[in-house]
Amino acid sequence: DTAVSQTPKYLVTQMGNDKSIKCEQNLGHDTMYWYKQDSKKFLKIMFSYNNKELIINETVPNRFSPKSPDKAHLNLHINSLELGDSAVYFCASSQGLAGFWTQYFGPGTRLLVL
Amino acid sequence: GIQVEQSPPDLILQEGANSTLRCNFSDSVNNLQWFHQNPWGQLINLFYIPSGTKQNGRLSATTVATERYSLLYISSSQTTDSGVYFCAVRQETSGSRLTFGEGTQLTVNP
Repeated sequence: DTAVSQTPKYLVTQMGNDKSIKCEQNLGHDTMYWYKQDSKKFLKIMFSYNNKELIINETVPNRFSPKSPDKAHLNLHINSLELGDSAVYFCASSQGLAGFWTQYFGPGTRLLVL
Repeated sequence: GIQVEQSPPDLILQEGANSTLRCNFSDSVNNLQWFHQNPWGQLINLFYIPSGTKQNGRLSATTVATERYSLLYISSSQTTDSGVYFCAVRQETSGSRLTFGEGTQLTVNP
């Protein structure tokens, strides 16, 4: 069974469109994250939710809006997509908030904005 | 924020060789993880190792937290070990965010 799953795996879209990426974890974890991996493979955190509450919000354009309907889901909505948004987006989860826990990553969503 | 430096940035090995990857970090941490990103892009947890030594098959890792570094050892490397190896740390004052190094790109040739 997949522990952290993301849909879609690939997303190709035009500039200016709005798109969503969904993430689900079946590990019973309390904390979920979104990371962005750029073309140079650098991974950087974007957001983190703990029990549906936003706890980390890095310097990310407000076109990006995370939503956590419940502890097992964390979705990422992106408005007015730009070329620079092309990247791989990873969802992750961990058991607790304090950072003493292993983070488990989803397979990634490869976003290409044309 | 905390700085995480990995070395070497690139490494090419012949199958069967051993290697050591290094991760230096600039501040105290209470979480350190090693990941392998395979050629298909998937991030695979290797070790959760904020201190001490762990072994898993041909891989082992050691973190010396007081000296702010961690080492990942790969013995008898195989072509399937190819990919990018990331070290990620959590600074004690940074909530639950992990800060990643830039990775070591490993290529194992047959």
